[in-house]
Amino acid sequence: DAKTTQPPSMDCAEGRAANLPCNHSTISGNEYVYWYRQIHSQGPQYIIHGLKNNETNEMASLIITEDRKSSTLILPHATLRDTAVYYCIVRVANGNKLVFGAGTILRVKS
Amino acid sequence: GAVVSQHPSRVICKSGTSVKIECRSLDFQATTMFWYRQFPKQSLMLMATSNEGSKATYEQGVEKDKFLINHASLTLSTLTVTSAHPEDSSFYICSARLQGRDTEAFFGQGTRLTVV
Repeated sequence: DAKTTQPPSMDCAEGRAANLPCNHSTISGNEYVYWYRQIHSQGPQYIIHGLKNNETNEMASLIITEDRKSSTLILPHATLRDTAVYYCIVRVANGNKLVFGAGTILRVKS
Repeated sequence: GAVVSQHPSRVICKSGTSVKIECRSLDFQATTMFWYRQFPKQSLMLMATSNEGSKATYEQGVEKDKFLINHASLTLSTLTVTSAHPEDSSFYICSARLQGRDTEAFFGQGTRLTVV
């Protein structure tokens, strides 16, 4: 599966949008982009995933560039409870493994 | 979304004993489950892929005789840490995925193992 690169940490003010970038320059045509987050001492939580179109759900929006080499996860109105480690993962469709990188520590501050 | 439940959430055991961790998919059938280990301030590391009715597939460097995985039914996989030592103390997390081309994986809440 393609490797991803994320900034190690980011800060965001409560109530503002949090934009988390992810580079996946070696992504293949059949690989999806998945985002998960992990709040301290809990199992990871699924957020969103996409192939090439932008996606939105009740938690977040996923913006994938046209060349698919990078993406951005947007939390539209961050709250203190969104403080977590956010993982961007690319995976082959119907592929089994999810391989986690280091992720981005997002700190939402009041 | 689908629910994956792990039990126990915390366990303390003596060095040399074995500990079993259960992972259940509560509202769906999972032919494949995954076991991860996470040390403090580190990311999740995939240990093995558990396949219902067959042997687990272990990642490189993971001792299959120490970390026994059983996936006897479509809703239950177990991880047994045999002859546990303090260095096995970690956060163990299981995961299961719905069948389908691009489905997401769901994770258990994790098990904090402390070996004393």
